[in-house]
Amino acid sequence: GENVEQHPSTLSVQEGDSAVIKCTYSDSASNYFPWYKQELGKRPQLIIDIRSNVGEKKDQRIAVTLNKTAKHFSLHITETQPEDSAVYFCAATPTGTGRRALTFGSGTRLQVQP
Amino acid sequence: DTEVTQTPKHLVMGMTNKKSLKCEQHMGHRAMYWYKQKAKKPPELMFVYSYEKLSINESVPSRFSPECPNSSLLNLHLHALQPEDSALYLCASSQPGRDRSYNEQFFGPGTRLTVL
Repeated sequence: GENVEQHPSTLSVQEGDSAVIKCTYSDSASNYFPWYKQELGKRPQLIIDIRSNVGEKKDQRIAVTLNKTAKHFSLHITETQPEDSAVYFCAATPTGTGRRALTFGSGTRLQVQP
Repeated sequence: DTEVTQTPKHLVMGMTNKKSLKCEQHMGHRAMYWYKQKAKKPPELMFVYSYEKLSINESVPSRFSPECPNSSLLNLHLHALQPEDSALYLCASSQPGRDRSYNEQFFGPGTRLTVL
């Protein structure tokens, strides 16, 4: 099955700096890669996703890049703000096999220092 | 309505109790999921229903019993749980795309379960 590794496990940045979180996946059949943000005591919320026919996607201060050859994808947050502090999870899923289930990375706790 | 709702928000039960968790969505999604999340860990898939049929059971102990009465509702029946089953139980839904593509999963707020 799919295996997703996520690094770093914790990340502390100063407000205004950029943050980068990286994930690698094992199954070359994976073609959907969402990123979720989970604040303490809240539900995971999708912040951005990318499909394997696209190399990069941007939404305001958030961007995701995908390298299918190397099987890794990254989340980039620019101009970080204290409200960006949360746990971020990457995920991957293969399709075409009927297994419509996300495999999550282990999570990154991002702390933005004001 | 673009939200997944779950009840109850909190549940405390003894090891001999029987209880049920409920999940509802009115987005017309035909895939629904149960996840278990322990503190500081990612969500861990338990069950997937696709078009009201159980399509994935991740070898979950039989003390957890899912049910999908219709396309909007998902239940998780609990019986004879263990203290280690204490966790946040999240429900999610999505609309399977054409050509088996994958669409966004919307998560509910979860039920925080404590087993004494």
